[in-house]
Amino acid sequence: DQQVKQNSPSLSVQEGRISILNCDYTNSMFDYFLWYKKYPAEGPTFLISISSIKDKNEDGRFTVFLNKSAKHLSLHIVPSQPGDSAVYFCAAQGENNNDMRFGAGTRLTVKP
Amino acid sequence: SAVISQKPSRDICQRGTSLTIQCQVDSQVTMMFWYRQQPGQSLTLIATANQGSEATYESGFVIDKFPISRPNLTFSTLTVSNMSPEDSSIYLCSVESSLSYEQYFGPGTRLTVT
Repeated sequence: DQQVKQNSPSLSVQEGRISILNCDYTNSMFDYFLWYKKYPAEGPTFLISISSIKDKNEDGRFTVFLNKSAKHLSLHIVPSQPGDSAVYFCAAQGENNNDMRFGAGTRLTVKP
Repeated sequence: SAVISQKPSRDICQRGTSLTIQCQVDSQVTMMFWYRQQPGQSLTLIATANQGSEATYESGFVIDKFPISRPNLTFSTLTVSNMSPEDSSIYLCSVESSLSYEQYFGPGTRLTVT
């Protein structure tokens, strides 16, 4: 069962504009959420995270928003840069480390 | 952060054979994880490997098919046994930061079974 879903397999954005990547989850026991970025031929790298006790976490150009009632989180990248072009994975984790679940990823393309 | 290497980076194997993937970390870690990413699908956790104990497998994955070794705190192997084309995937090992939830991933092993 897919407990974490990224319904948009791809997203294309113009350089300088905002990129918004979305993620939905079904398990209310998840209490920590992460975004990973993956370039081709490399493993995913951690980008930003948010605890369920918060609704927003910001790190430079990256902001993650969490809406617990909707079981939805989003990653905002402002301004988008061509180097941001990658696949972005959303992940959710419960108290048990074995409960980490990943979405299928969204391929972001930032056009110059 | 942790630097993780995997061997081999890719392989093409025949049906019915087995492949052992190695994962090396540049620091001692308690928990190591093995994931699989099949084409078009999400990263899926196969098992968690703790040093000194048997690996814990996720639903749908069994030790006979994916035996794991964890001889020390910096190294682990995952074997894909009796391979079939459905095992074609990218296999990643990862470790978790001792200070946060951050996970660090190896570069992956791309396996193609013919």
